[in-house]
Amino acid sequence: GNSVTQMEGPVTLSEEAFLTINCTYTATGYPSLFWYVQYPGEGLQLLLKATKADDKGSNKGFEATYRKETTSFHLEKGSVQVSDSAVYFCALRVGGTGANNLFFGTGTRLTVIP
Amino acid sequence: EADIYQTPRYLVIGTGKKITLECSQTMGHDKMYWYQQDPGMELHLIHYSYGVNSTEKGDLSSESTVSRIRTEHFPLTLESARPSHTSQYLCASSEGWGIGEKLFFGSGTQLSVL
Repeated sequence: GNSVTQMEGPVTLSEEAFLTINCTYTATGYPSLFWYVQYPGEGLQLLLKATKADDKGSNKGFEATYRKETTSFHLEKGSVQVSDSAVYFCALRVGGTGANNLFFGTGTRLTVIP
Repeated sequence: EADIYQTPRYLVIGTGKKITLECSQTMGHDKMYWYQQDPGMELHLIHYSYGVNSTEKGDLSSESTVSRIRTEHFPLTLESARPSHTSQYLCASSEGWGIGEKLFFGSGTQLSVL
């Protein structure tokens, strides 16, 4: 089947620390991979994506590389800020079109303290 | 900025009550979705619509119903709320197709049924 497994939270880091949130997946086809972020009081929004193996998605200092050999898409940031405190969701899409082909992980809550 | 709105933000209600969760978007998107998320669990698709008068059930069985009479409006109704319906409900709309599809989420409704 299709599923996403995320690192369990919550994660608490000091400002300027290095962040890694692990994400691994299983997929019946060749998926596209996504990270969504949900800031407090807001809806989920797309943070970055990668559509094929070895692609690196990046945005706002966050990066994730599509690793087909390890079926992983870990999220990283070199120096987190208080404003990065949010819930991060890893997701995959298989197939071309359709509502039923997008699968989310459980989300990982990140808190960054000054 | 996403122009998709959900109301109410929080709802606490007694068992047996009928409730409607509102979702509206001003982006003219044809595709709209409802997701349900229990604490620590994945987001699960419960309903989707590809346009006016089109509604389908998602991969997670739900006792809720939806309607799509207008493009911008996609309300979700529970005829008789029960404690098992306590959850977070997220509405989304999207543009594009396949790999290029981009979802926009509302900020969610946290429902508690006593």
